[in-house]
Amino acid sequence: GAGVSQTPSNKVTEKGKYVELRCDPISGHTALYWYRQSLGQGPEFLIYFQGTGAADDSGLPNDRFFAVRPEGSVSTLKIQRTERGDSAVYLCASSQGHFNEQFFGPGTRLTVL
Amino acid sequence: TQLLEQSPQFLSIQEGENLTVYCNSSSVFSSLQWYRQEPGEGPVLLVTVVTGGEVKKLKRLTFQFGDARKDSSLHITAAQPGDTGLYLCAVRKAAGNKLTFGGGTRVLVKP
Repeated sequence: GAGVSQTPSNKVTEKGKYVELRCDPISGHTALYWYRQSLGQGPEFLIYFQGTGAADDSGLPNDRFFAVRPEGSVSTLKIQRTERGDSAVYLCASSQGHFNEQFFGPGTRLTVL
Repeated sequence: TQLLEQSPQFLSIQEGENLTVYCNSSSVFSSLQWYRQEPGEGPVLLVTVVTGGEVKKLKRLTFQFGDARKDSSLHITAAQPGDTGLYLCAVRKAAGNKLTFGGGTRVLVKP
């Protein structure tokens, strides 16, 4: 079956703009995660959903970042008033239940000019 | 200070050579995972080690978990260009399912 998909694959925006990044998890996976990977670094956790609710959002850097998963499947990561420091690859992963293997999507490369 | 320190940061070798990369911490973990990430892709799980002193083999890759469960190594025998990529170690936080990654080792195998 299909893996985790993310759209767009690349997003270039200007400082101060609003962006939305989309994640389609593997069908049937109840858990969904967002990570951010800066150049030359390992991924850093942002937020974790179990079903529709955010079970852990401790990694969101500030209140400009918000994520939703209204129907327990597709998730959208929203960033308001983007800053140059938000430039990174945003990775989404899903797993079949808690503590099972996480499968990652290819990521969205966000560039803030 | 990062929870997981990986070394070296970058390694360039010729096809057929052996290499070892390390993942170290001062903390004790119940398990540790190794991932490989290729350009433009997300990380892919290679192995999970659970028991102190455990050795797992995946074809030409050998993974070892330290006796004290604070560190791990990945050894590649007779490296091939297809082994090129970013190797990441990761652990789960005890109270949740989020992964904490090391900074990664970038491996380049030249033909």
